[in-house]
Amino acid sequence: GAVVSQHPSRVICKSGTSVKIECRSLDFQATTMFWYRQFPKKSLMLMATSNEGSKATYEQGVEKDKFLINHASLTLSTLTVTSAHPEDSSFYICRPEQGGNGYTFGSGTRLTVV
Amino acid sequence: QKEVEQNSGPLSVPEGAIASLNCTYSDRGSQSFFWYRQYSGKSPELIMSIYSNGDKEDGRFTAQLNKASQYVSLLIRDSQPSDSATYLCAGWAGGTSYGKLTFGQGTILTVHP
Repeated sequence: GAVVSQHPSRVICKSGTSVKIECRSLDFQATTMFWYRQFPKKSLMLMATSNEGSKATYEQGVEKDKFLINHASLTLSTLTVTSAHPEDSSFYICRPEQGGNGYTFGSGTRLTVV
Repeated sequence: QKEVEQNSGPLSVPEGAIASLNCTYSDRGSQSFFWYRQYSGKSPELIMSIYSNGDKEDGRFTAQLNKASQYVSLLIRDSQPSDSATYLCAGWAGGTSYGKLTFGQGTILTVHP
């Protein structure tokens, strides 16, 4: 099956700083990447969809200037949470898409903003 | 209106029993459905996918899809304590939303010894 690497798995940062999360597809090329966030005991919420080499499409209510997504290559996409605040603390998960293999999630990043 | 609904609250079954998880969806154009298992603090893991009406079996898991009634279910036979997790139902509407999944809110399953 598809192998997806996401890191860091956990990060604690100070309020006002930025955090970058990386998602790599190790054994296939992902033309599309989906980024989700999940609050405790809640379901996955799609934040944005990115396509390699083009701007990301953000879901309604998600601030594109706060959650910067870069999908510069077919194997790497990054999500940067800028000027993080405690309310940004969440579990962030990526999911690359590649035909029939597009259903494996990254391992997730637990972000805690203090 | 939420597109995928998992209305059943926490489910508790004894070890060895059958656990039945249900999901309904509102978009008749939805073509594919997936069941994910998520352990606490971990990311979701795909356990079943189903595209056609009827049943699909994989080991102890059986997924059922009824497009006329717009529901999807997952049966877990011989439930084990290790099956205790949150189960997420997801649907894909197809077309230009290629790969975009809509998730239900999840059902917490506890299998007690």
